[in-house]
Amino acid sequence: AQSVAQPEDQVNVAEGNPLTVKCTYSVSGNPYLFWYVQYPNRGLQFLLKYITGDNLVKGSYGFEAEFNKSQTSFHLKKPSALVSDSALYFCAVKGGYNKLIFGAGTRLAVHP
Amino acid sequence: NAGVTQTPKFQVLKTGQSMTLQCAQDMNHNSMYWYRQDPGMGLRLIYYSASEGTTDKGEVPNGYNVSRLNKREFSLRLESAAPSQTSVYFCASSQSESSYNSPLHFGNGTRLTVT
Repeated sequence: AQSVAQPEDQVNVAEGNPLTVKCTYSVSGNPYLFWYVQYPNRGLQFLLKYITGDNLVKGSYGFEAEFNKSQTSFHLKKPSALVSDSALYFCAVKGGYNKLIFGAGTRLAVHP
Repeated sequence: NAGVTQTPKFQVLKTGQSMTLQCAQDMNHNSMYWYRQDPGMGLRLIYYSASEGTTDKGEVPNGYNVSRLNKREFSLRLESAAPSQTSVYFCASSQSESSYNSPLHFGNGTRLTVT
């Protein structure tokens, strides 16, 4: 069965430093992977997706994600964090019948 | 551009009461979904509607019913609320259920407390 794991409940980073939010996946067949962000009292917003092609995927707000097939990972990255990036981040994989299966979420806290 | 609109934003119910959560999208999307979000568990799919006139169970359908009223609207009903249904409920839509490329668009959620 398809699944995703986000091993960190929270990630803390100083503003201006690079950030990484980790995600690993388990799928049968080709993975279709997504990152979403949730700001307080809001719904999830789509950031980026990997379907096929380049392993480095660029998305909204300066975020990018690196697909690594051998490590079954899809880590979210940003070269220079902003305080406004503080939010809850969800990794997701397309499961059976094309439904999205979400990870538990990682809270990113960017400190000034 | 409203996107996905959910009502109400907050609701408190007593055990055994019923209620309907409303959702409407104005993006002409074919597919709509109901998720619940609980701490440490991410989002879990309750029901979905691949297209107008069809509905199917997701991962956690027990205690819920849905109606795809038309292409725009997809409602979620709790017939007899239980404390275990205390959660934040999200409606979402996508252009096509069968397309791997179409991301989900979410509403802002309904925070439900059952006492």
